[in-house]
Amino acid sequence: EDKVVQSPLSLVVHEGDTVTLNCSYEVTNFRSLLWYKQEKKAPTFLFMLTSSGIEKKSGRLSSILDKKELFSILNITATQTGDSAVYLCAVEVPSQGGSEKLVFGKGTKLTVNP
Amino acid sequence: EAGVAQSPRYKIIEKRQSVAFWCNPISGHATLYWYQQILGQGPKLLIQFQNNGVVDDSQLPKDRFSAERLKGVDSTLKIQPAKLEDSAVYLCASSGTSADYSYEQYFGPGTRLTVT
Repeated sequence: EDKVVQSPLSLVVHEGDTVTLNCSYEVTNFRSLLWYKQEKKAPTFLFMLTSSGIEKKSGRLSSILDKKELFSILNITATQTGDSAVYLCAVEVPSQGGSEKLVFGKGTKLTVNP
Repeated sequence: EAGVAQSPRYKIIEKRQSVAFWCNPISGHATLYWYQQILGQGPKLLIQFQNNGVVDDSQLPKDRFSAERLKGVDSTLKIQPAKLEDSAVYLCASSGTSADYSYEQYFGPGTRLTVT
């Protein structure tokens, strides 16, 4: 069974801290790995990673994938209270009908205190 | 561009009752997904449609859940009869025809179902 494991499950930091969120996976047929931010209900897309060692950056957020060790990290530098959210990691795998589907981890709940 | 619309936003029912959720995807998106997200968990795919055909329903509890996507646009997800463990947020997402990559999935606001 395809599995995505995120750690830690929850994290509390102060504004200005740097955080690293972890995602490891065990899937039979890896296509890509995605990070989402979920603040209230709808997850919003952050990054998609397909190749090892290539860092994706967007402002204070960055992410990298290691396909040999089967994990990814999401870094957030100089955290702000607006970064408080659940961060979801998902792996894209083939679905039954020949298309693709996402398998999600449980998420990391990040709380940034002022 | 209008996003994915879902209704209702909240629903409270008693166990053994039935309930239906509605989703209107982004215009032109061929693929539609229904996810169940239980509190403290990540979303779990229930069913995936490509136009009006089912692509993957391997995790749909078919004894009580059903879904349809008539005319390849709107979709409804039904639970009949509901159980306490069905309490969750039901998320609908859609992606475009060029989406070889699921990152193009856009999520709706979800429906929070509470079964008492």
